[in-house]
Amino acid sequence: DTEVTQTPKHLVMGMTNKKSLKCEQHMGHRAMYWYKQKAKKPPELMFVYSYEKLSINESVPSRFSPECPNSSLLNLHLHALQPEDSALYLCASSQEPVGLAGVNEQFFGPGTRLTVL
Amino acid sequence: QKEVEQNSGPLSVPEGAIASLNCTYSDRGSQSFFWYRQYSGKSPELIMSIYSNGDKEDGRFTAQLNKASQYVSLLIRDSQPSDSATYLCAVNGENTGFQKLVFGTGTRLLVSP
Repeated sequence: DTEVTQTPKHLVMGMTNKKSLKCEQHMGHRAMYWYKQKAKKPPELMFVYSYEKLSINESVPSRFSPECPNSSLLNLHLHALQPEDSALYLCASSQEPVGLAGVNEQFFGPGTRLTVL
Repeated sequence: QKEVEQNSGPLSVPEGAIASLNCTYSDRGSQSFFWYRQYSGKSPELIMSIYSNGDKEDGRFTAQLNKASQYVSLLIRDSQPSDSATYLCAVNGENTGFQKLVFGTGTRLLVSP
């Protein structure tokens, strides 16, 4: 199984809603990532979890709150988002978090298309 | 200077030709290099990784790395219309503690039948 899954595929929410994005992998990977991607732009790193601990927060606004309940799951809790937060949210995982050849390849899930009204 | 630079394209090639995609990077401590393919509206798909100077071949794809000149390239032989996509170069290096991929802005490839 070499797949990263994400739910939901699409999400429309109002600025006062609270919602969560979910990501799951069963490859035994120990690093998981959240990215945000706007149209015609490259993915932009938001958070890195290494061995279930938050290791990188790219100065993301507090209205985005990550959570790693276990080594296979990664959540992104959303609250009081702004219309400019509308984007494709991508989850990725890699075998190890550090730059060792062969173990740091990142595999992306299909993404959640988020629209904030 | 951007950390990872790519020509945005579009790069147009006829079916059956070789497509050559280039990427330069600024961090001399970079050690891992990746090419992702992204179709419109879809997520990035890893197609090649390379860690050592030289060429690495996988089917119709060849990645080339030259650390002295700080560039990495992707060659696609016998290009097919289904190869039409945006190709993202990503680099993992010392500047980012090796935990962070730095992406280029991508090159859009168009393969015409």
